[in-house]
Amino acid sequence: GENVEQHPSTLSVQEGDSAVIKCTYSDSASNYFPWYKQELGKRPQLIIDIRSNVGEKKDQRIAVTLNKTAKHFSLHITETQPEDSAVYFCAAKGGEKLVFGKGTKLTVNP
Amino acid sequence: DSGVTQTPKHLITATGQRVTLRCSPRSGDLSVYWYQQSLDQGLQFLIQYYNGEERAKGNILERFSAQQFPDLHSELNLSSLELGDSALYFCASSVNPRGYTEAFFGQGTRLTVV
Repeated sequence: GENVEQHPSTLSVQEGDSAVIKCTYSDSASNYFPWYKQELGKRPQLIIDIRSNVGEKKDQRIAVTLNKTAKHFSLHITETQPEDSAVYFCAAKGGEKLVFGKGTKLTVNP
Repeated sequence: DSGVTQTPKHLITATGQRVTLRCSPRSGDLSVYWYQQSLDQGLQFLIQYYNGEERAKGNILERFSAQQFPDLHSELNLSSLELGDSALYFCASSVNPRGYTEAFFGQGTRLTVV
C-alpha cells in the first residue's frame, strides 16, 4: 500500500525566512497530493494541493512542487509569519486511500 | 466550520470498555475516512467508506470496526479498549473517494482510556 515519508519532523525558522517541507511517496499510481495545516487543538485544513499532471502550483506565499519520476513533492512557504506556526501534513492519494505523512511542526520565531 | 460533525468531542472510559464515535459528513459528501492521531504518529489512516460500502482499509485493529449508514453518517466502534488507544480520532468526508477532491475534517473526538 501507499507509504508517505515526510521530513523534517520539526522546523524552526526566523520570521521572514522561507520554509521547505519534503515528502516522498511509494505508490506510483498516486495522482493527488494535498497539504494540510493543523493548528494546535484544531482540525487539519487544506492549504494547497497538486495533481499528478502538474509540476508546480502557487498560492500567494505557498507553493508546492511535484516530481513524479522521483516520487517527491515539497511545500514551500516564503516570507514566513508567526501565524504560519503549526503542524503541516503532506498526503498522497492513489485510488481511494488518502495517506498522510507524520507531519512537520513548523515554528516561526518573531 | 468544515460541515463535518463528530460526537462526542471528548470521551473518557476505562480499559476493556467499548465506545462508539459518530461522524456526520458534509451535506452531499458520500465518502467518509477515519483517522487516528496519536502523539508523534501523525494521521494514521484507519478505514474509508463510500455510500455505505467499505472501500479501503488501513492499519485498523481487529478490535475496531466501522460502518456507514444509509443516511451516510458513520460510526467507529472501538472495543476491549487499551491505554494505547488513547488518541484523537478524526473523520473526514469528501464528495467521492477518487479524483482530486478535498477531504474536510471534523473537529475530532479525543478518547482517553484510563
